[in-house]
Formats: sequence, structure tokens, C-alpha cells
Amino acid sequence: AQKVTQAQTEISVVEKEDVTLDCVYETRDTTYYLFWYKQPPSGELVFLIRRNSFDEQNEISGRYSWNFQKSTSSFNFTITASQVVDSAVYFCALIRIYNQGGKLIFGQGTELSVKP
Amino acid sequence: DTGVSQDPRHKITKRGQNVTFRCDPISEHNRLYWYRQTLGQGPEFLTYFQNEAQLEKSRLLSDRFSAERPKGSFSTLEIQRTEQGDSAMYLCASSAGRQNTEAFFGQGTRLTVV
Repeated sequence: AQKVTQAQTEISVVEKEDVTLDCVYETRDTTYYLFWYKQPPSGELVFLIRRNSFDEQNEISGRYSWNFQKSTSSFNFTITASQVVDSAVYFCALIRIYNQGGKLIFGQGTELSVKP
Repeated sequence: DTGVSQDPRHKITKRGQNVTFRCDPISEHNRLYWYRQTLGQGPEFLTYFQNEAQLEKSRLLSDRFSAERPKGSFSTLEIQRTEQGDSAMYLCASSAGRQNTEAFFGQGTRLTVV
């Protein structure tokens, strides 16, 4: 079975602090994709990143960075110098590649609160 | 706006009533998904369409739920004889068809059953 676990339910930081959101996944597949989505209060899930299981290079996009470690089945997300606008619920998700129609398997989400 | 559109945004209904939600995907996307999200949880897959064909349904989708996508464009999700446990956010997403492409989500329909 596939499963995504985000152990941190809520995180609160003060603006400009760095924060890391943890994601651990379970799958017996060797080929899969991992995603991060952001859900602001408006409710719409916003795509942040996609990473395939063959590519373990870390990625940086502005203040965002992602650390994918296949050996520990983790795909952690770091926000550097957090801002109030980063306040949202963040979801990590997994897609099986074959015969699964592209449905996403989500973690429970981590609610990030960035205070001024 | 060419994103995924859902209507209505909010629906309050009495237990036992039927409700129908609509989703308009991004026009060139041939895959359409429905998810359900309860408070404090991640979205859970309900069903998906490739064009007009419904290819997979979750066990979460009881026989009171039905989804359609006539002509492979917009989709509707109907819940018959609503129960309080149906209260949730219903999210629609669409994608361009390959399994590794990102899905784009609508803002959801929040259903409250009283």
C-alpha cells in the first residue's frame, strides 16, 4: 500500500525564520512521483514541485528548497526566511506511475503559521 | 480565468436532500479528478475520468454518490440522501493526461449537511 505521512500537524514560526516541513512516504513501487502542494485559506491547492523517483538531486526555487532522500523515503521541504504570506497548509503527495490514473495520495498536511 | 472552476463554492443542505456539484476543468485537460477533504486531513481520491470515461472509483464513493462527465468536458458529482458524514470540501482537479503531470485544483465546494 502507498502512504504519505506528515508528522508535523502544526508549525508556528516568526517571520524570517527558516522552517522545514517533513514528509515520509511508503511505496513498494520503484517508479513514482512526489509532489508538494500549498493550500492557502482560499482552499485551492497550488502546485509547488514535482520530483520523480529517479532524480534525487535537491532543488531550490527562490526561498523554497526540497531534499529528496530515497534511502530514508523522505521528501522534506524547507522555506528560508519565511514570510507571513507563506502561512498555509502544505501537503506532500505521491503518484504511482503505472495503471493508477495519476491519482494523488496525500499526507495529512502541515499547517504553517508565520507570525510577523 | 482559465483555471479549474467549481460551483457552488458553498452548499448547506438538510440531511436526506440531494445535492449536485459542478466542475469545469482547464479546457485542454482530458483527465478530471474528484477528491474529498475533511477538516484537518489531506484530500482523498474519489474518482477520475479520462475524457468521458470514468476509469476508477474509490471505495469511499458509496452508491449514494455518482459522477458524470458527459462529452468529456465539465463534470458533475451528485450525492443522494445526504448524511452528516458527507460534510466536507469536495475538490476537483484536472490534468493534461500523463500520470506524472501536475494536477490543477479548483477552489472546492464546501458542503455542510445539517
